[in-house]
Amino acid sequence: GAGVSQSPSNKVTEKGKDVELRCDPISGHTALYWYRQSLGQGLEFLIYFQGNSAPDKSGLPSDRFSAERTGGSVSTLTIQRTQQEDSAVYLCASSLTAGGPNEQFFGPGTRLTVL
Amino acid sequence: GQNIDQPTEMTATEGAIVQINCTYQTSGFNGLFWYQQHAGEAPTFLSYNVLDGLEEKGRFSSFLSRSKGYSYLLLKELQMKDSASYLCAVRDRWGGGADGLTFGKGTHLIIQP
Repeated sequence: GAGVSQSPSNKVTEKGKDVELRCDPISGHTALYWYRQSLGQGLEFLIYFQGNSAPDKSGLPSDRFSAERTGGSVSTLTIQRTQQEDSAVYLCASSLTAGGPNEQFFGPGTRLTVL
Repeated sequence: GQNIDQPTEMTATEGAIVQINCTYQTSGFNGLFWYQQHAGEAPTFLSYNVLDGLEEKGRFSSFLSRSKGYSYLLLKELQMKDSASYLCAVRDRWGGGADGLTFGKGTHLIIQP
């Protein structure tokens, strides 16, 4: 079946604008994760969903970042009033369920550039 | 918080064996993962360890010692396509989300002919 998909693949925006990033997890996967990867840095955990609820939002770097998931499927990550330091690749991953050996399958990412 | 350390870069020869080490310090431990990431691509899962010992999967093996906060990824019979970054990631029961992973910065492995 299809893997995790993300859109857009690339997004260039101006400082101060809002952006929405979309993630379509693998069908049937109940857990969904957002990470970001900055140049030369490791992947940074942002938030995860089990179903539609987000048990832990502690990784979100500021209150400009928010995420939602509806219908236990698609998720959107919204960044308001973007700043240049928000430039990174935003990766989404899904797994069958949370915890245990369940591997996380990653999408191709959205490369965000804030000018 | 958590701290995960792995070498920044390693070089090895085609056909040889290489061991990539990872040390971690966490307030809790609930599993360690290794991922492979080719340049410009998404990470792909390689292995999972939660108990001490060696997990073998084809040319790749991963070892864990929880008491030492240490893991390694062993790659045998290296091929040119193994040139990639190898990411060590830990699930901390109390941090990084109940299930989000904390990743090291990755080890860039270069395979030479």
